[in-house]
Amino acid sequence: GAGVSQTPSNKVTEKGKYVELRCDPISGHTALYWYRQSLGQGPEFLIYFQGTGAADDSGLPNDRFFAVRPEGSVSTLKIQRTERGDSAVYLCASSLGQTNTEAFFGQGTRLTVV
Amino acid sequence: KQEVTQIPAALSVPEGENLVLNCSFTDSAIYNLQWFRQDPGKGLTSLLLIQSSQREQTSGRLNASLDKSSGRSTLYIAASQPGDSATYLCAVRGYAGNNRKLIWGLGTSLAVNP
Repeated sequence: GAGVSQTPSNKVTEKGKYVELRCDPISGHTALYWYRQSLGQGPEFLIYFQGTGAADDSGLPNDRFFAVRPEGSVSTLKIQRTERGDSAVYLCASSLGQTNTEAFFGQGTRLTVV
Repeated sequence: KQEVTQIPAALSVPEGENLVLNCSFTDSAIYNLQWFRQDPGKGLTSLLLIQSSQREQTSGRLNASLDKSSGRSTLYIAASQPGDSATYLCAVRGYAGNNRKLIWGLGTSLAVNP
């Protein structure tokens, strides 16, 4: 596609439920990043994929969070047993490669856990 | 550990003024620095990318400079307009291990008044 696409744009879920957030990167981009952003804060790194593999998942806050990118394109961020503290905007970015390339962001998914 | 600081945190100016937003980083070993714009409730829009070997980049009324040795970048906005009102974030891409994640400042919230 023309840009990074994230769905849904908004998600409201009840505490304890499971949610999946989807990111469709720019075609041909091998690097994919998930960040989350709370109000008034800069983005917080969650996980980085190079191709199909998670090269760095050190930003995932706990084992309730998991992400996959099985075919090296679309990625899904999965959150189990959601908590109110998980409420944030989840941002996905992609770039051609790892280093000297520009990162392009999607519009984000606003997750609200009630 | 890389830290990114943006000054000022907020700025309010009348339309037509020329502006300078500042970004500083503690570790000069970076691949690149990227300036983004974020509108309320929206995702991140890339404005300018400066590679570590470059001194500046220009796009329209925007000019970004990079002084890697002193750990500083500035975003210059000429002839500001009300449509420039947004939060401006800078992020650096470093060398940390296998990950080329972006390290973010907290942003400068800009209001341009008609």
